[in-house]
Parts: sequence; C-alpha cells; structure tokens
Amino acid sequence: GDSVTQMEGPVTLSEEAFLTINCTYTATGYPSLFWYVQYPGEGLQLLLKATKADDKGSNKGFEATYRKETTSFHLEKGSVQVSDSAVYFCALSEWNTGNQFYFGTGTSLTVIP
Amino acid sequence: DVKVTQSSRYLVKRTGEKVFLECVQDMDHENMFWYRQDPGLGLRLIYFSYDVKMKEKGDIPEGYSVSREKKERFSLILESASTNQTSMYLCASRTGQSGTNEKLFFGSGTQLSVL
Repeated sequence: GDSVTQMEGPVTLSEEAFLTINCTYTATGYPSLFWYVQYPGEGLQLLLKATKADDKGSNKGFEATYRKETTSFHLEKGSVQVSDSAVYFCALSEWNTGNQFYFGTGTSLTVIP
Repeated sequence: DVKVTQSSRYLVKRTGEKVFLECVQDMDHENMFWYRQDPGLGLRLIYFSYDVKMKEKGDIPEGYSVSREKKERFSLILESASTNQTSMYLCASRTGQSGTNEKLFFGSGTQLSVL
C-alpha cells in the first residue's frame, strides 16, 4: 500500500544553517506530494506541493522537488530562522486510493539563535 | 479566510464517558476527515466523509463513530472513552471537486486526555 517515510527528528539547527528533511514514498500510481507544517499549538497547514515528476514546490524559502526515479520529495531551505521551528510532515495523495492522504511521522525542527 | 473550527482546544474526560468532538468548516467542502496525532506515529485516519450522511472507516476506526448530518459539521464520537484514546485529534476538510492535488485544511486540534 501507499506510505511515506521521513527522517526522524528532532533536528536542531543554528539560525542561518541549511536544512534538509528527507522524505521518500511508496505509491501504486502517480501521487501528488505535499509538505505540511505544524507550528506550536496549531493545526497543520500546507507549506508546498508538487503534482507531477520533476515539479518543484516552493514557499517561504522552502523547496522540494518531486523525484520519481528515487521516489523522494526532500524538503530544503538555505537559511533557517527561529520562526521556522515547527513540526514538518511529508504527505501524498493518490487517485488509486480515493485521494486519501498518507502522512509521514513528522520531523520536529528547532532553530536556535 | 477559510476556517475549520474545532469546538474545544483541551478536553479532560473520565474512562467510560461518551465524548463528542465537534468540527465545523465554512468552506462548503464536501470531504471531511478525522485524524489522531500521536508522537512517533504521525497522523492516522480514523473516519472520513465524502458528503452529508456518508461515512467511511479509515485506518483506525475501532472505538470511534462519526456523524455528518449537515455538510459543514462532522462529529467524532468516542462511545466509551479509554485511556489509550488520549491523543491530539485533528479535523480536516477538502473540496471534493478535484483530484489528487487538492489540499487539506486543518483545524487547530483538540488535545483529549482520558483519565
């Protein structure tokens, strides 16, 4: 079945450091891929998405590229800020499974000044 | 701005109590979902609904039921709360008109503690 695997946290970085959070997926068809972010005390909100191979999603300085050959959708940011401290979830949605969302376990990021 | 509202941010209940978690969306969305979020397990789908009066089991429906009498409201019911149902519960909604690229909108969550 469909699934998402993302790197375990927690991740602690200094301000202005480079961030990578790895995400790989298993799907039977052609999924859309998403990164959601959950700030402390809040629900999840969409950070970025990509709907087909080689698409790059970007938002707020974050980027992720849909790599079909490696079934990956790694999240990157060149220079993190304290305000980026949150939990990040990788997810997929696929027509074959009724457009259900499958989420990774989440990666907690703490950015220290 | 679009909004998914969950009735309680924090809830404390006793074992055996019947618990209602309410979720309301103002976006006229067809699809609504209930997830629970636990550390190390991510989000797990409990129940979902594609339209009024419709409901489908997710991955972990045991011990839960749902009600969707109106399009904007989706209720999660714990018939007899147990301590292993202590968790963060997240409601989400989405338009049913598009395919795989349509995003979910989430509420702020309800942290339920069952004592």
